Amino acid sequence: KNQVEQSPQSLIILEGKNCTLQCNYTVSPFSNLRWYKQDTGRGPVSLTIMTFSENTKSNGRYTATLDADTKQSSLHITASQLSDSASYICVVTPNTNAGKSTFGDGTTLTVKP
Amino acid sequence: NAGVTQTPKFQVLKTGQSMTLQCAQDMNHEYMSWYRQDPGMGLRLIHYSVGAGITDQGEVPNGYNVSRSTTEDFPLRLLSAAPSQTSVYFCASSYSTKRYPFEQYFGPGTRLTVT
Repeated sequence: KNQVEQSPQSLIILEGKNCTLQCNYTVSPFSNLRWYKQDTGRGPVSLTIMTFSENTKSNGRYTATLDADTKQSSLHITASQLSDSASYICVVTPNTNAGKSTFGDGTTLTVKP
Repeated sequence: NAGVTQTPKFQVLKTGQSMTLQCAQDMNHEYMSWYRQDPGMGLRLIHYSVGAGITDQGEVPNGYNVSRSTTEDFPLRLLSAAPSQTSVYFCASSYSTKRYPFEQYFGPGTRLTVT
């Protein structure tokens, strides 16, 4: 069964600090990996998308990395802001069926002043 | 563009009632999907469609029906609501291009409570 596991489950950091969220997956063969930000009470919003051939992708203060050999990805947030408080979700799409992406349970990030 | 719209935003049903959650997109996306999100858990795929007239089951399809008569609309029907279906439901649509493979756009969600 395809799985996506995220760690930590939750994280609290001070405003201005950096943090890194982890995503391990077993989806194979692999098409792409996406990171989403989900604010409380809202739908997920895409941050980055990486195909199997990409190692890193940035979107402002968000930088995602991908190691397709070890099936690991990370999302690094630089100089955190209060508005970064949200759930961050890792999603992996298989090559065989684009309609059946697998979602991780997410990491809940709280940024405190 | 309005993007992905969902109605209603909130709904309370009694056990055994049926209803339809509406989802529409104006981006001419081929793919549309329905997910449910229970508290503290990830999104789980209920049903999806790769184009008008084509639907398939996801991870948790029992108790739900879908149809895709047009590219724009993808309604989700609850046949006989049960308390276990209390959740937040998200609809998503997707396109696939060489640069952004399978980018998904999500609606705002429908919060459903079954008593």
